[in-house]
Amino acid sequence: GQNIDQPTEMTATEGAIVQINCTYQTSGFNGLFWYQQHAGEAPTFLSYNVLDGLEEKGRFSSFLSRSKGYSYLLLKELQMKDSASYLCAGLDSNYQLIWGAGTKLIIKP
Amino acid sequence: GAVVSQHPSWVICKSGTSVKIECRSLDFQATTMFWYRQFPKQSLMLMATSNEGSKATYEQGVEKDKFLINHASLTLSTLTVTSAHPEDSSFYICSALQREPYEQYFGPGTRLTVT
Repeated sequence: GQNIDQPTEMTATEGAIVQINCTYQTSGFNGLFWYQQHAGEAPTFLSYNVLDGLEEKGRFSSFLSRSKGYSYLLLKELQMKDSASYLCAGLDSNYQLIWGAGTKLIIKP
Repeated sequence: GAVVSQHPSWVICKSGTSVKIECRSLDFQATTMFWYRQFPKQSLMLMATSNEGSKATYEQGVEKDKFLINHASLTLSTLTVTSAHPEDSSFYICSALQREPYEQYFGPGTRLTVT
């Protein structure tokens, strides 16, 4: 079956770095997305990886290893506004999104 | 970046009535759009994949006769909730798939309350 696993909740300190991991099993693979979602709002696209390696976008970076079925989202210089849920989603061979349950990130001062 | 809009942003309707939600890609053509439902404190649940000019593909457990999807143009998909019940109250979110470069953009969502 298809499955996306990510931690349910993580806590980090303002100014620090946090890494949110995601492992996936999909029927075929057409890439992996990371989204940020604040409570009561629609998810916001953060990144898309389809090739192995690290992609950096400002304070956020995303990494993919296709051979390991593994990705992570790295957030640097954490700010209070980064408190949100972070969703990992794999795109299968039919271009269907397989969603993880999301990781709730709590930032403490 | 690309923008996807939804209309209405929120709607209250009576039980038994039908509600239509529109999803538009404003500055790109989207051959594929997705419809999601999100209940409080839960992850997005994919309801269906909508491809322009063809029938939508529904996820298991989603009633296709209740949730009618029409993707009549490359910039518009509609979701009609027919004979709405209070349990249909939810946050409905659409997204549009842009190719070249490959990115997915989400609409702001529509909050449906059925009384």
